[in-house]
Amino acid sequence: DTEVTQTPKHLVMGMTNKKSLKCEQHMGHRAMYWYKQKAKKPPELMFVYSYEKLSINESVPSRFSPECPNSSLLNLHLHALQPEDSALYLCASSHIQGLQETQYFGPGTRLLVL
Amino acid sequence: DAKTTQPPSMDCAEGRAANLPCNHSTISGNEYVYWYRQIHSQGPQYIIHGLKNNETNEMASLIITEDRKSSTLILPHATLRDTAVYYCIVRPNYGGATNKLIFGTGTLLAVQP
Repeated sequence: DTEVTQTPKHLVMGMTNKKSLKCEQHMGHRAMYWYKQKAKKPPELMFVYSYEKLSINESVPSRFSPECPNSSLLNLHLHALQPEDSALYLCASSHIQGLQETQYFGPGTRLLVL
Repeated sequence: DAKTTQPPSMDCAEGRAANLPCNHSTISGNEYVYWYRQIHSQGPQYIIHGLKNNETNEMASLIITEDRKSSTLILPHATLRDTAVYYCIVRPNYGGATNKLIFGTGTLLAVQP
């Protein structure tokens, strides 16, 4: 199984809503990532979890709150978002193995903030 | 992180080889070259990576120049399903999850019937 799954596929939310994005992998990977991709732009790293601990936060606003409850799951909690936060949110995972590290991506959650 | 330069777009006829160039003139000795692609509205897909030797897998071949300042991704027989944005990424590989994938703007490859 080389799949990273993300739910929901699409999400529409108002600026006062609280919602969560979910990511799951069963490849035994111990590193998981959140990326944000605006239309016609490349993906940009948001957060990295290593062994269920947050290791990188790329200065992401606090209205985005990541959580890694176990080695297979990664959540992104959303609260008080702005319309400019509308984007494709991608999850990825990777092994931590020596000098080689390949990230595998999920299909993404397309978020629209009204 | 070393930066990469790729042409914004390329066309290729179906069934022909697609050769996608990438310049990475500031690459340093421990930095690998990775290629990913992103088909419209999907997540990026890993293709191949290499350090200094040429590499081949079931998807593509990666040719890295001897001075490592540039590389070429070769799709030997392009199909319409290969139409995608192709990203060339140079990243250090110290090991561990703290390595970042920094995507450039990529090359939009359009495979024509």
